[in-house]
Amino acid sequence: GDSVTQMEGPVTLSEEAFLTINCTYTATGYPSLFWYVQYPGEGLQLLLKATKADDKGSNKGFEATYRKETTSFHLEKGSVQVSDSAVYFCALSDSAGGFKTIFGAGTRLFVKA
Amino acid sequence: NAGVMQNPRHLVRRRGQEARLRCSPMKGHSHVYWYRQLPEEGLKFMVYLQKENIIDESGMPKERFSAEFPKEGPSILRIQQVVRGDSAAYFCASSPNRTSGLRTDTQYFGPGTRLTVL
Repeated sequence: GDSVTQMEGPVTLSEEAFLTINCTYTATGYPSLFWYVQYPGEGLQLLLKATKADDKGSNKGFEATYRKETTSFHLEKGSVQVSDSAVYFCALSDSAGGFKTIFGAGTRLFVKA
Repeated sequence: NAGVMQNPRHLVRRRGQEARLRCSPMKGHSHVYWYRQLPEEGLKFMVYLQKENIIDESGMPKERFSAEFPKEGPSILRIQQVVRGDSAAYFCASSPNRTSGLRTDTQYFGPGTRLTVL
């Protein structure tokens, strides 16, 4: 079945450092790929998405490119801020799976001032 | 346009009691999904519903759990005879009606209901 694997956390960075959170997936169809962010005590917010190969999703300085050849969707940000501290979830939605969203385990990011 | 609404935000139950969690999807959305998040884990799919229909309940425990999405009113996730292992955050998500022409693969999440079983 479909699955998402993302790098384990926690990831601890200093402010203004470069961020990469790796995500790879397996899917039977042609999934859409997502990154969600969860701040402490809150629900999930959609951060960015990509719906087909080579698409780049971007939002709030975060980017991720849909790489079909490597089945990856790595999240990057050039300069993190303390306010980026949260848990980041990579996810996929596949029409073959009825559009239910399959989530990775999440990666907790701590950004120090 | 209000987002996905869930209530209550926090629910405390004693073992053996029933828990009822409510979810009102975004306006214009007719697809509802329920997910469970155990502490320090990702979200696990439970059930996918459309109005008056359960489309996919492959993630629902076979006993004590049920879900509905009636023609009128919110979607309800019901847990009977709760046990300590049911303590988790339960998230509801909704996506658009396919006849709207919008992609239905993006789901919009509510704030969640945090269930604590004593």
